[in-house]
Amino acid sequence: DVKVTQSSRYLVKRTGEKVFLECVQDMDHENMFWYRQDPGLGLRLIYFSYDVKMKEKGDIPEGYSVSREKKERFSLILESASTNQTSMYLCASNPTGGGLHYEQYFGPGTRLTVT
Amino acid sequence: KQEVTQIPAALSVPEGENLVLNCSFTDSAIYNLQWFRQDPGKGLTSLLLIQSSQREQTSGRLNASLDKSSGRSTLYIAASQPGDSATYLCAVRAIQMYSGGGADGLTFGKGTHLIIQP
Repeated sequence: DVKVTQSSRYLVKRTGEKVFLECVQDMDHENMFWYRQDPGLGLRLIYFSYDVKMKEKGDIPEGYSVSREKKERFSLILESASTNQTSMYLCASNPTGGGLHYEQYFGPGTRLTVT
Repeated sequence: KQEVTQIPAALSVPEGENLVLNCSFTDSAIYNLQWFRQDPGKGLTSLLLIQSSQREQTSGRLNASLDKSSGRSTLYIAASQPGDSATYLCAVRAIQMYSGGGADGLTFGKGTHLIIQP
């Protein structure tokens, strides 16, 4: 079974803090994604990565950065946390190859509260 | 820009009934469509994936159809059970232009909140 894990289920941080959200997948997937989910807005893509050290901006990258130093790990960084970044953060991954588009597998989510 | 709409936003039915959840998308140039289930406070569990060349997929009591030309998908749940209560999300995979350039990703609907009454 594919497993996508996230470092924390719940996190409380103060405004202005630098926050790291970690995601690890154990199936050697090339693609990894970070989404945030908010009531009434649904899931929105923040950043994704096709491979190690590669990253692309999604719909809402402002206020975030990412790091992918190893294939299995994709980190989301809030450079200076703000209250409007209080949200549920979901990580996902999928393999590539053969010209096919595979299903995405999601982690359990991190509920971040910024006070 | 791709938009995904799910109707209804909420649905409550008695146990045992068959039901249909609807999903529509604005751009038919998709790679695939995926249905997810989300329990409160949890992550997403993939239910079914339909490639753009397919018409339907089945898994147990679930059947998902895809009509790419009309931009529609349905998720059919047979003989509903209280354990089916959850939010169901539809997402399409397509080329999407993001601020940093172009590449593919999932565009989600806002979900249907389903309650199965015992």
